[in-house]
Amino acid sequence: DIQMTQSPSSLSASVGDRVTITCRASQSISSYLNWYQQKPGKAPKLLIYAASSLQSGVPSRFSGSGSGTDFTLTISSLQPEDFATYYCQQSYSPTWTFGQGTKVEIK
Amino acid sequence: EVQLVESGGGLVQPGRSLRLSCAASGFTFDDYAMHWVRQAPGKGLEWVSGISWNSGSIGYADSVKGRFTISRDNAKNSLYLQMNSLRAEDTALYYCAKDKGAEYSSSIDYWGQGTLVTVSS
Repeated sequence: DIQMTQSPSSLSASVGDRVTITCRASQSISSYLNWYQQKPGKAPKLLIYAASSLQSGVPSRFSGSGSGTDFTLTISSLQPEDFATYYCQQSYSPTWTFGQGTKVEIK
Repeated sequence: EVQLVESGGGLVQPGRSLRLSCAASGFTFDDYAMHWVRQAPGKGLEWVSGISWNSGSIGYADSVKGRFTISRDNAKNSLYLQMNSLRAEDTALYYCAKDKGAEYSSSIDYWGQGTLVTVSS
């Protein structure tokens, strides 16, 4: 199976900060990489699909980049509603896998 | 409005079986692949299984392969997960989820609210 490793596992940031989360795949997955946001007690929400495409309705402060094995989710200016856990997920292989998650907390 | 409503969760003893169902509405069900994703209490997301629009492609996580079976009934707009030989580590909130595409090679754009499965004696 393809392993997905996110870093960091958690981070503290302030409103207005630029935040970057990294996801690394154990083998090349081309651009078959998605990002989700999950808030406590809620279902996940799709933010970015195919590595860099913004899902409809998602604010433009979210962006994704990368291909092959290394990917990045960037929040250009962190807002209060962005404090949540973020997951990457690969859909390259028939067995999908998620990263372990990155929790974004208030500094 | 897309709606995915899971049912069938509950408390079950180790080694027993359970069948989850997901009723879908608000979209053309047989145009899209579907998935089950689970989340153990306080843990991250784990993809469990996916099925293409016509059931032609099916996949499972290694942790459930040989014990769980995914299926769909397009006439009933329903997705199912038959779970056999349940273990304590299968305890989780199970989400029904819709793929953006017909073959499960895309992403999940809609999620249900989940049904809780607890495996314990």
